Amino acid sequence: DQQVKQNSPSLSVQEGRISILNCDYTNSMFDYFLWYKKYPAEGPTFLISISSIKDKNEDGRFTVFLNKSAKHLSLHIVPSQPGDSAVYFCAASVSSGDKLTFGTGTRLAVRP
Amino acid sequence: DAGITQSPRHKVTETGTPVTLRCHQTENHRYMYWYRQDPGHGLRLIHYSYGVKDTDKGEVSDGYSVSRSKTEDFLLTLESATSSQTSVYFCAISETGTASSYNEQFFGPGTRLTVL
Repeated sequence: DQQVKQNSPSLSVQEGRISILNCDYTNSMFDYFLWYKKYPAEGPTFLISISSIKDKNEDGRFTVFLNKSAKHLSLHIVPSQPGDSAVYFCAASVSSGDKLTFGTGTRLAVRP
Repeated sequence: DAGITQSPRHKVTETGTPVTLRCHQTENHRYMYWYRQDPGHGLRLIHYSYGVKDTDKGEVSDGYSVSRSKTEDFLLTLESATSSQTSVYFCAISETGTASSYNEQFFGPGTRLTVL
């Protein structure tokens, strides 16, 4: 039972354009959401997060949007850069809990 | 960078042999986690620890055991490795267990395990 889903396994975007990565969840108890970025042969690194009390959080070129009624979140990268090419995982948690549930990941390729 | 190391970084073993992976941290964080990453499954939690000698199961714990005798070390053991346990294993640490903007999980570099 995949509680966090990333339905697009891959995405290709031109440099300078917007990248939009999507994530859906099924567990209505989730109230904290994160995005991690992973380069080959490295561990994932934290990118940005959002609490369910917000619908948007922005950090430089990265913005995460949360639509609680649709149980959907998205990560926007503007403008996309070749160095953004990586696998992106979304993750969710119950804030009173101690575990993260990860999605299957989306591989982003930014073309120069 | 958070001080997390994993050893070995690569291992090839045969079915039926025992394997132990080590995670070592220098951050004095209370929580430690073991994940496996597989194509089509993302990262799945195997076991985690919320203190010395305090551990609990994750979603894919069958065939794995863990031990934590010191704050800095978290060991993952495959008692009798199977080909289905071929994967990349990641250790993670966090200061507390509650996800928040002040408490992210930091990941180690991973161990690639191949079971023939």
